[in-house]
Amino acid sequence: AQTVTQSQPEMSVQEAETVTLSCTYDTSENNYYLFWYKQPPSRQMILVIRQEAYKQQNATENRFSVNFQKAAKSFSLKISDSQLGDTAMYFCAFRNTNAGKSTFGDGTTLTVKP
Amino acid sequence: DAGVTQSPTHLIKTRGQQVTLRCSPKSGHDTVSWYQQALGQGPQFIFQYYEEEERQRGNFPDRFSGHQFPNYSSELNVNALLLGDSALYLCASSQDLGSTNTEAFFGQGTRLTVV
Repeated sequence: AQTVTQSQPEMSVQEAETVTLSCTYDTSENNYYLFWYKQPPSRQMILVIRQEAYKQQNATENRFSVNFQKAAKSFSLKISDSQLGDTAMYFCAFRNTNAGKSTFGDGTTLTVKP
Repeated sequence: DAGVTQSPTHLIKTRGQQVTLRCSPKSGHDTVSWYQQALGQGPQFIFQYYEEEERQRGNFPDRFSGHQFPNYSSELNVNALLLGDSALYLCASSQDLGSTNTEAFFGQGTRLTVV
């Protein structure tokens, strides 16, 4: 069974600075997807960025980028130029390529301070 | 496009009662997954429906059941409610591509409180 671990329950960052959220996972699969989701107080789970395991190149999406280390089973999220609207809970998630089920970590609460 | 819609948004039930939650998938999506998110935790997979059948199931008791209709909408039913069933219930939809699924889009969830 897959497991996803987020070791930072809470983090804070000053507006305009950079912050990195950590995630590790455990799987015996070779092909899979990894995701970072954002869940603001509105409860809507919003996809931030995704990474296919077969791609060596790290995914980027505007101010969001990942550091994917397949051998180490590590998948961290870097947020550059942090904005107040980035304040939310962030979840790391794993999904097999042939399964609909996603396995989530317990989340990191990020607070961006003005 | 209305995205994934869930109803109701909030619900209060008494222990032992039964509850039905509803989900309409994003336009073009044919697969619906349900998750339970306890306070301060990540979502836990309950089950997934595709072509009106349960395709995959997580570690939840038989008190949790579901249904998918021909228009791809879905219901989650929970019988004999326990206090521990209090949680945010999230619905996610995606499109089956054969060997994989597209991105999952989530609804805003139903907050169930059991008293």
